[in-house]
Amino acid sequence: DAGVIQSPRHEVTEMGQEVTLRCKPISGHDYLFWYRQTMMRGLELLIYFNNNVPIDDSGMPEDRFSAKMPNASFSTLKIQPSEPRDSAVYFCASSRDRAIQPQHFGDGTRLSIL
Amino acid sequence: GQQLNQSPQSMFIQEGEDVSMNCTSSSIFNTWLWYKQDPGEGPVLLIALYKAGELTSNGRLTAQFGTTRKDSFLNISASIPSDVGIYFCAGQLGNTPLVFGKGTRLSVIA
Repeated sequence: DAGVIQSPRHEVTEMGQEVTLRCKPISGHDYLFWYRQTMMRGLELLIYFNNNVPIDDSGMPEDRFSAKMPNASFSTLKIQPSEPRDSAVYFCASSRDRAIQPQHFGDGTRLSIL
Repeated sequence: GQQLNQSPQSMFIQEGEDVSMNCTSSSIFNTWLWYKQDPGEGPVLLIALYKAGELTSNGRLTAQFGTTRKDSFLNISASIPSDVGIYFCAGQLGNTPLVFGKGTRLSVIA
């Protein structure tokens, strides 16, 4: 089985630009999670979906962040406009467990906003 | 919100030594998870604990769900160089999202 696939692996862009991060969850997993990891704050949950429906987006930092899941095999996290403080590693994870534990993480997108 | 305190923040040990790390919470959880993260990769689930007092092993790793439901421990026996990485604890109450600790960075000196 392929794991959670994220793209791009690295993104460097100038502040003010739109950034789109992509995720393909494991087939058959009903839950999809977006996390942000920084040295200062550790792993933070941004938003999660169940059956393509956003369930909790209270972790999304502000209106510049948006996430969509148009179908069971694809999700995007968009930042527009991007700012230097958005620099972090963004992880996508998926799970099939009812208890919504993110058991399978992708390898992340390392985002640098200059 | 819920806070998880993970300690130690980092540790340097000799190959072959045993390792202990722990995680404490200000509130109770009914699930504890331990993950390991290698450089440039995402966290990988090591052990899941679902019951207070539960002791579970995965090879050289052993984790325990504290009886107060506010803590958990991870032990690694006879460490080897590939144990290097960041170990995260995570707690969950009911069907709420996981809360992660800040991690313990483990370095193994051959």
